[in-house]
Amino acid sequence: GAVVSQHPSRVICKSGTSVKIECRSLDFQATTMFWYRQFPKQSLMLMATSNEGSKATYEQGVEKDKFLINHASLTLSTLTVTSAHPEDSSFYICSAQPQSGAGGRDTQYFGPGTRLTVL
Amino acid sequence: QQQVKQSPQSLIVQKGGISIINCAYENTAFDYFPWYQQFPGKGPALLIAIRPDVSEKKEGRFTISFNKSAKQFSLHIMDSQPGDSATYFCAARAGSRLTFGEGTQLTVNP
Repeated sequence: GAVVSQHPSRVICKSGTSVKIECRSLDFQATTMFWYRQFPKQSLMLMATSNEGSKATYEQGVEKDKFLINHASLTLSTLTVTSAHPEDSSFYICSAQPQSGAGGRDTQYFGPGTRLTVL
Repeated sequence: QQQVKQSPQSLIVQKGGISIINCAYENTAFDYFPWYQQFPGKGPALLIAIRPDVSEKKEGRFTISFNKSAKQFSLHIMDSQPGDSATYFCAARAGSRLTFGEGTQLTVNP
């Protein structure tokens, strides 16, 4: 099956530092990757959509200068939380949409998530 | 118009029973309706999905019922097991963008 990995799975950082989260599609190529944020006991909220080789599209209310997204290849997207603050503490989840096959464009495969805690 | 309303918020079922979770939407541009299962501290996993030109889809113990005119769809879990205890999210897609329901925390008692 289609597998998406995230690294790190958990990170604790001090306020003001930047944190980079990697999202990789391990056995398929993904033209489109998505980044979500999930607070405890809440649903997934889409933050941004990234297409390989182009700028990410951010959802309304998401600060693009704070959440930097890079989709440099068909298997890797990164989310950098810049100058993180305690209110940025959350569960960040990426998903990847296969280029073809493996369910095609219908299916988004989700990573295991990254728990960010900002002290 | 982008919202997907999900109910109930929580559900407790006895082992062997049927779990039913409902979702409703307004946006007629939605063209794909997946259900995801999420365990604590994990990412969502696709369970089953349906397109609006089909009224029902069954995969093992999981069935989606879809009512296009009412703009409603539901997940039925037959013979519910304690291992099914998780949070379930319905979702709807317009373009490439998924909109999630609020989630249902299912507990299946042994």
